[in-house]
Amino acid sequence: DAGVTQSPTHLIKTRGQHVTLRCSPISGHKSVSWYQQVLGQGPQFIFQYYEKEERGRGNFPDRFSARQFPNYSSELNVNALLLGDSALYLCASSSVGQGVDGYTFGSGTRLTVV
Amino acid sequence: SQQGEEDPQALSIQEGENATMNCSYKTSINNLQWYRQNSGRGLVHLILIRSNEREKHSGRLRVTLDTSKKSSSLLITASRAADTASYFCATGDMEYGNKLVFGAGTILRVKS
Repeated sequence: DAGVTQSPTHLIKTRGQHVTLRCSPISGHKSVSWYQQVLGQGPQFIFQYYEKEERGRGNFPDRFSARQFPNYSSELNVNALLLGDSALYLCASSSVGQGVDGYTFGSGTRLTVV
Repeated sequence: SQQGEEDPQALSIQEGENATMNCSYKTSINNLQWYRQNSGRGLVHLILIRSNEREKHSGRLRVTLDTSKKSSSLLITASRAADTASYFCATGDMEYGNKLVFGAGTILRVKS
């Protein structure tokens, strides 16, 4: 059974550009969350979606947006990229909305903004 | 902002020794989880302890939770070189039940 898959693995973008990151949760998991991890720090919560509805939003600017599709996969979009957006972006899925049994994380997308 | 604070920031031990990492948090929680991360890649869920539990075991892992002190500890017994990784505690926020709030992590190095 496949785990949480994220694409692409690595990405280099220029300041001001737009980026779309993708995530496929574990089969049967209806909740997807996105986290940003800057080098040397712990992950920071960006969004959570459950049953295609936004259930939580972290302290990130409106340049960050996300959505969840009918098959429960998800996209994270970041507009007008800044150098400070360079980070590892992690997707996590869980079977229920509050992750009460723990989350399963993907391997992440390493975004570098130059 | 990050809720959890792990202690120590870095730990270096010999293979076979025990490793203890501590985590403190600030707000009321539903549960506390520990994750491992190898080489800046994805996080692996290790163990979850609920707010009404005081101790939990999983293989070589032992987690304790003291809600009165808002602290938790992770003990890895008989460490192996493969345990070398960063370890994070994460709290399930009661106010925002949908998200995990992570600490900055403890870097563990197990020397063979």
